[in-house]
Amino acid sequence: GDSVTQMEGPVTLSEEAFLTINCTYTATGYPSLFWYVQYPGEGLQLLLKATKADDKGSNKGFEATYRKETTSFHLEKGSVQVSDSAVYFCALSTSGTYKYIFGTGTRLKVLA
Amino acid sequence: DTAVSQTPKYLVTQMGNDKSIKCEQNLGHDTMYWYKQDSKKFLKIMFSYNNKELIINETVPNRFSPKSPDKAHLNLHINSLELGDSAVYFCASSPGTSHVYEQYFGPGTRLTVT
Repeated sequence: GDSVTQMEGPVTLSEEAFLTINCTYTATGYPSLFWYVQYPGEGLQLLLKATKADDKGSNKGFEATYRKETTSFHLEKGSVQVSDSAVYFCALSTSGTYKYIFGTGTRLKVLA
Repeated sequence: DTAVSQTPKYLVTQMGNDKSIKCEQNLGHDTMYWYKQDSKKFLKIMFSYNNKELIINETVPNRFSPKSPDKAHLNLHINSLELGDSAVYFCASSPGTSHVYEQYFGPGTRLTVT
């Protein structure tokens, strides 16, 4: 079945460091890909998405490119802030399945 | 205006009790979901409704029963609560069932069974 694999956390960075969180997927169909962020005590919020190969999603300085050849959707940010500390989830959804598959989440901690 | 709201936010109860969690969305979406998030943050789909019709029913104990009185509401009733039911339960909605749509999540209900 479909699956999403994310890098294990926690990831601890200093403020203004470069961030990469790896995400790879397995899907029988042609999925849409998403990154969600969960701040402490809150629900998940969409960070960005891409619905076809080579699309780049971007929001709040975060970017991810849909790479069909490597089945990846890695999240990057050039300069993280303390306020980016949260848990990040990679997810996919495939046509006809009506559901989303989430990765296990990667906790990011940014130190001032 | 909260797009997806859940009540209650916290629920502490004893084993064997029956409890309900309510969810409402004011986004005009057709599709709603229930997820369970465990202590390790793993998120698992439980149910989904589209226009009040059940479209996803994962391998969830039948002590869990969803109900969608209309498109804007999806409630979750849990009978005979067990310790393992302790988790955070999230409601979500999306405009429809297309895989290109993102989901909008509620703030969660933290259920603690003692």
